Amino acid sequence: EIVLTQSPGTLSLSPGERATLSCRASQSVSSSYLAWYQQKPGQAPRLLIYDASSRATGIPDRFSGSGSGTDFTLTISRLEPEDFAVYYCHQYGTSPLTFGQGTKVEIK
Amino acid sequence: QVQLVQSGAEVKKPGASVKVSCKASGYSFTKYAMHWVRQAPGQGLEWMGWFNADNHNTKYSQNFQDRVTISMDTSASTAYMELSSLRFEDTAVYYCVRDSGRDWLLEYWGQGTLVTVSS
Repeated sequence: EIVLTQSPGTLSLSPGERATLSCRASQSVSSSYLAWYQQKPGQAPRLLIYDASSRATGIPDRFSGSGSGTDFTLTISRLEPEDFAVYYCHQYGTSPLTFGQGTKVEIK
Repeated sequence: QVQLVQSGAEVKKPGASVKVSCKASGYSFTKYAMHWVRQAPGQGLEWMGWFNADNHNTKYSQNFQDRVTISMDTSASTAYMELSSLRFEDTAVYYCVRDSGRDWLLEYWGQGTLVTVSS
């Protein structure tokens, strides 16, 4: 199974700052089938990025994804108050599907 | 628009079984696979398995291989996840998730169903 390791565990930033989240895979992710989700308390995860760098419908352009192979990054260019949440990376190219353990972006 | 509406919260005793339903609307039910993902309190996301409505194939995570059954009633546009031999550590929110149809991208999520295992 592909193990996804996210770093850092927690990111403390202020609104307007740039957030950079990392996701490293234990083996190459097939066809860059790597997604990012945002989850707020009491809510289901929300798809942000798929295929490593494509934004899902309705996602603001301050969210961007990059990477290939085993190293992937989610960047939020300028944090808005509604962006403080937990973010998960997820690979969907190889069964079993797996998730990273999450990065919490909190207000500094 | 795509909607997945899950059944309500459940409380079960250890050793019992639970069956969670997921009613789909807004798309052609048989053209997409349905996955199930769970999240224990304060923890991350864990994929359990999926059911392909087109060919009725199933695939389960080895972590649940012997205890989970995922099924679909195409006439009712409803998917089901049944978990047996419940343990305290099965306490979690269970989500049904529709994939994209072209790959296993988990695109649309249900609202989640809390299953509590308590004696």
